[in-house]
Amino acid sequence: GAGVSQSPSNKVTEKGKDVELRCDPISGHTALYWYRQSLGQGLEFLIYFQGNSAPDKSGLPSDRFSAERTGGSVSTLTIQRTQQEDSAVYLCASSFSRTGGYQPQHFGDGTRLSIL
Amino acid sequence: DQQVKQNSPSLSVQEGRISILNCDYTNSMFDYFLWYKKYPAEGPTFLISISSIKDKNEDGRFTVFLNKSAKHLSLHIVPSQPGDSAVYFCAAIKQGGSEKLVFGKGTKLTVNP
Repeated sequence: GAGVSQSPSNKVTEKGKDVELRCDPISGHTALYWYRQSLGQGLEFLIYFQGNSAPDKSGLPSDRFSAERTGGSVSTLTIQRTQQEDSAVYLCASSFSRTGGYQPQHFGDGTRLSIL
Repeated sequence: DQQVKQNSPSLSVQEGRISILNCDYTNSMFDYFLWYKKYPAEGPTFLISISSIKDKNEDGRFTVFLNKSAKHLSLHIVPSQPGDSAVYFCAAIKQGGSEKLVFGKGTKLTVNP
């Protein structure tokens, strides 16, 4: 498809395990974002990748969270030693980035992560 | 501190009537404001945006109004349709840097047939 693709769509794991979430952005989009939505909350920014620039990691809630973007395309978000408060829907978005104007971010359907 | 606020968690309207969703913000440095629509188990879908230098933007049944002095924006849907039933998120962005979206908590709109 032409949209942002995320996998898995659902993940249930035990507390203390590591999880890896994947995002395939829209082809040609240079900017990639991770957000998460906890129950009853709005979307919370986690991390931003733009081309070859250093990522903006200012939204990552702890050092258990990390993300990579390989080859300027696919990204993985890794959560180590998961805790129950990590349970949320993790959403990936991508956009064009150009000077002047604004290009909206397009979201995938998310990964629903449940920590038992 | 919540920079973008949607104070109504839910709204119910009759089909054919106008739906008005409201959003307030605190950061006067935001450059663009956006509305996203979200169905259950799907990602948010971009609906409409407005630049901070405008006061109105219209796209079909959807119009967004921006009142900078009041730090308030609203989304009008006319006429409302049952398929519009979803959660609507207001978001804002400051250009330059990471251009991350700052979201409100959403308003659940129900359009009754």
